[in-house]
Amino acid sequence: DAKTTQPNSMESNEEEPVHLPCNHSTISGTDYIHWYRQLPSQGPEYVIHGLTSNVNNRMASLAIAEDRKSSTLILHRATLRDAAVYYCILRGRIYGGSQGNLIFGKGTKLSVKP
Amino acid sequence: EPEVTQTPSHQVTQMGQEVILRCVPISNHLYFYWYRQILGQKVEFLVSFYNNEISEKSEIFDDQFSVERPDGSNFTLKIRSTKLEDSAMYFCASGGDRGRVSGELFFGEGSRLTVL
Repeated sequence: DAKTTQPNSMESNEEEPVHLPCNHSTISGTDYIHWYRQLPSQGPEYVIHGLTSNVNNRMASLAIAEDRKSSTLILHRATLRDAAVYYCILRGRIYGGSQGNLIFGKGTKLSVKP
Repeated sequence: EPEVTQTPSHQVTQMGQEVILRCVPISNHLYFYWYRQILGQKVEFLVSFYNNEISEKSEIFDDQFSVERPDGSNFTLKIRSTKLEDSAMYFCASGGDRGRVSGELFFGEGSRLTVL
């Protein structure tokens, strides 16, 4: 599985935007960029994923560099509930029995200050 | 909203005992997974399951581990003879609706296993 690099930790103020970076210089053409987060004492939770184009959903936005070697997860207004470990994961295309399993790294621990 | 449910939420067992962790994945999903997380460490992939057989497994998933989907709804992880180092949070996940590729995985809340 291709590797990703994320900062160990980041801090944000409540109600301010947060930009969480991820480098994935060895990404292959069929790898999707997935973001998950893990709140304290909970299971991982899907946030967003994309392939080439920027993506938006109710939780966040994903900005993907043109060369796909990096991406940024954007939380538009951080809340205290967004304090979690955020994982950037490359995942291959699913077809038949090939699932491109999620392989978690250490992620970025986001702290949100009131 | 559909969710993955896991039981028990916490199990304490003696070393050498067999443990079965149970999961009910989301009903129309096709792919099933077990992950574990030792306290303070990262989430580790154990095994994936598709079409009633193991698709992939990690080095952690040795002969002491087995998975089963006995009745079309439950997905179980069995540890035959638990060791102290099996103490961890075990997460079940499911994903992959028909016709969707590279979609999200849905994780359960986890089963905490404590081996004494």
